[in-house]
Amino acid sequence: EAGVAQSPRYKIIEKRQSVAFWCNPISGHATLYWYQQILGQGPKLLIQFQNNGVVDDSQLPKDRFSAERLKGVDSTLKIQPAKLEDSAVYLCASSFGSLLNSGNTIYFGEGSWLTVV
Amino acid sequence: AQRVTQPEKLLSVFKGAPVELKCNYSYSGSPELFWYVQYSRQRLQLLLRHISRESIKGFTADLNKGETSFHLKKPFAQEEDSAMYYCALRAAGNKLTFGGGTRVLVKP
Repeated sequence: EAGVAQSPRYKIIEKRQSVAFWCNPISGHATLYWYQQILGQGPKLLIQFQNNGVVDDSQLPKDRFSAERLKGVDSTLKIQPAKLEDSAVYLCASSFGSLLNSGNTIYFGEGSWLTVV
Repeated sequence: AQRVTQPEKLLSVFKGAPVELKCNYSYSGSPELFWYVQYSRQRLQLLLRHISRESIKGFTADLNKGETSFHLKKPFAQEEDSAMYYCALRAAGNKLTFGGGTRVLVKP
């Protein structure tokens, strides 16, 4: 079974520039998540999709971050304009469903490493 | 709101020694707790969940609702256990909240 795919793996940009990350979840997984992991911290949920609808985006800095999942499969996370504090690993994850039961394991991608200089 | 705390940033043990990673949580509902592990240059992956009451790679974890803890234990650490370990709590809607992580270093 193919895992969660993310690209690019690494990106270095200057502050105030924009960047976009792409994620392809595991086939058949309806729920997709974007997490931000700052160095030395645990992952923090930015946004959660159920198919192409947003379930939770309470921790997404909406003035600069946006995400979409137009066809309910792939997703894109965009940052514009980037700030120094956005330097982090952006993890995409997916699960079969969103219900709170033991069958819904969340699988993570390898992450996209962003450095803002 | 839910919160997960891992008080130790780094645990260094010798091979064959016991290792215990502490995890405390706060959540008003009925919690579902997990341990995730990230080996060097690999993706974050599920190690075990409290519901399964299973032992994975020799690790066990017991949910103590009275102490709001979910500590991870292994009686005899191996070098291949060196990794980052994250405790996580799942709330309604499948939202995972992670602790800050503990780095385990097993020395030969």
